[in-house]
Amino acid sequence: KAGVTQTPRYLIKTRGQQVTLSCSPISGHRSVSWYQQTPGQGLQFLFEYFSETQRNKGNFPGRFSGRQFSNSRSEMNVSTLELGDSALYLCASSLAQDRGAPLHFGNGTRLTVT
Amino acid sequence: QKEVEQNSGPLSVPEGAIASLNCTYSDRGSQSFFWYRQYSGKSPELIMSIYSNGDKEDGRFTAQLNKASQYVSLLIRDSQPSDSATYLCAVKSRAGNNRKLIWGLGTSLAVNP
Repeated sequence: KAGVTQTPRYLIKTRGQQVTLSCSPISGHRSVSWYQQTPGQGLQFLFEYFSETQRNKGNFPGRFSGRQFSNSRSEMNVSTLELGDSALYLCASSLAQDRGAPLHFGNGTRLTVT
Repeated sequence: QKEVEQNSGPLSVPEGAIASLNCTYSDRGSQSFFWYRQYSGKSPELIMSIYSNGDKEDGRFTAQLNKASQYVSLLIRDSQPSDSATYLCAVKSRAGNNRKLIWGLGTSLAVNP
């Protein structure tokens, strides 16, 4: 079974630009979460989608948005990029939203904003 | 006070020893607790989940939960160099529409041959 696939693996953008990241979950997984990981802040929750509906949202500005499609694939968009947005963006899928469902992470997208 | 706290380390143990990793959390109503391992340059992967007070064992790993004291720990017996990684503690907040995982910053573990 294929794992969680994130594209692209690396991105270099300049301040003010926007970026779209893509995530394909494990087949059959309907829950997709997005995280930002930086050395200083660790893993920060961005949002979670389940069956095309945003179920939870972290404390990020409105420049960060996402969506989920009917096939459970998800995209994350960041507009008006800032230097502080440079981070590893991780997508994770899980079978369900229940307490026991483990998260399966993709390899991440490394975003560098110059 | 951070919601989930871990010692950043590095924690250094000799091969074959027991490594003890600790995590404290602030939300007394938290219900689900997870330990993830992250190798350098890789994504986190789940090692253990625990929901009830007490110990849960899986191979060389034991998770311990004490809700009264609001801490969860991970013991790694017979530590191997391949266990060298960052260990992330994650806590799921209480039931409701806003349940989400809160993550610690991780403890770096180095197992020396």
